[in-house]
This record gives sequence, structure tokens and C-alpha cells, in this order.
Amino acid sequence: GENVEQHPSTLSVQEGDSAVIKCTYSDSASNYFPWYKQELGKRPQLIIDIRSNVGEKKDQRIAVTLNKTAKHFSLHITETQPEDSAVYFCAVWISNFGNEKLTFGTGTRLTIIP
Amino acid sequence: DVKVTQSSRYLVKRTGEKVFLECVQDMDHENMFWYRQDPGLGLRLIYFSYDVKMKEKGDIPEGYSVSREKKERFSLILESASTNQTSMYLCASSTRRGYTFGSGTRLTVV
Repeated sequence: GENVEQHPSTLSVQEGDSAVIKCTYSDSASNYFPWYKQELGKRPQLIIDIRSNVGEKKDQRIAVTLNKTAKHFSLHITETQPEDSAVYFCAVWISNFGNEKLTFGTGTRLTIIP
Repeated sequence: DVKVTQSSRYLVKRTGEKVFLECVQDMDHENMFWYRQDPGLGLRLIYFSYDVKMKEKGDIPEGYSVSREKKERFSLILESASTNQTSMYLCASSTRRGYTFGSGTRLTVV
């Protein structure tokens, strides 16, 4: 099955600095790569995603890059703010003959230091 | 907005009890999933279902079973609860656009 590794497990950055979280995956058939943000006590929410035919995608302060050859993708948050503090999960989606599921990374706890 | 509702936010059960965790979605999604979330281990897939009465084992199915008698409802069953099943349980439903999660059930087995 798919194996997803996520690093780092914890990350602290000064407010205003950038944060980068990286994930690697094993199955080259993976074709969709979402990122979820989970605030304390709340459900995971999709914040950005990228498909395998695209190398980079941006949405305001967040961006995701994908390197299919190396099988890794990264989340970039610029100009970090206190509300960015949360646990972030990468995920990898495989679609095989109508069967589709996500495999998640182990999560990164991001803390923004005011 | 898709709504995924888990019936209980917090549960405390005794070792050996049979436990039912219920999940209902209101958008006619075919795909539904049960994950457990533990610190340092992320979200691990227990079981999933692509249609009524269909179920597939995920990565950690041992000690669990599921039921999907109706499209909107996906139940997770702990046949005989054990302390190592103390965890946060998250239900999700999905389309090709992605997952929507329920709010989670924090289960404590004592």
C-alpha cells in the first residue's frame, strides 16, 4: 500500500517568517495531493490541493509544490500569522478502478511565535 | 456544504463493552471512511465503504467492524472494547473533490 512520510513533526517559526512542511510518498500512481489543517479541537479542513499534472499551486499565503519524479510535495506558508498555528496533514490520493482513498502523513504541529 | 455528523463527541466505555460509533452524511456521497487519530501517528484508516453493504479493510482493521446498511450512514463497531482503542475517531465522506470530515468522537476505554 501507499506509504506517506511527513517532516518535520513539530515546527516553530517567528510570526512573519515562512514555514515549509515536506511529504514523500511511495506509489507512483498517486495523482492527487491535498493538505489539511486541523486546529485544536476541530476537524481537519482542506486548505489546498494539487493534482499530478501541475507542479505548483498558490492560494494567497499558501502554496504547494509537487515533484512527481522524486515523489515529494511540500506546503509553503509565507508571512505566517498566529492563526496559522495548527496541525497540518499531507495526504495522497490513489484512484484505482473507481476505488479511491487517502493515505495521510503523520502530521506537523506548527506553532507561530508572536 | 456537505455535513458529516458523528453522533457523540465524547464517549467513555468499559473494557469488553460493545461500542457503536455512528456517522451520517447528507450529500449522497458513495464513499465513507473511518480513521483513528493518535499523536505522532496521524490519521490511520480503519475501514472504508464505496457503496451500501460494501466494506473494505483499511490499514488497521483489527478489533473493528463496520456496517453500511444505508448510503448516508456508516457505523464503526468495536466488538469488545480494549484500552488500546482509546483514541479520537474521525469519520469522512468523499467525492473526487476531496474529503469532508466529521467533528470526531473521542473514545476513552477504561
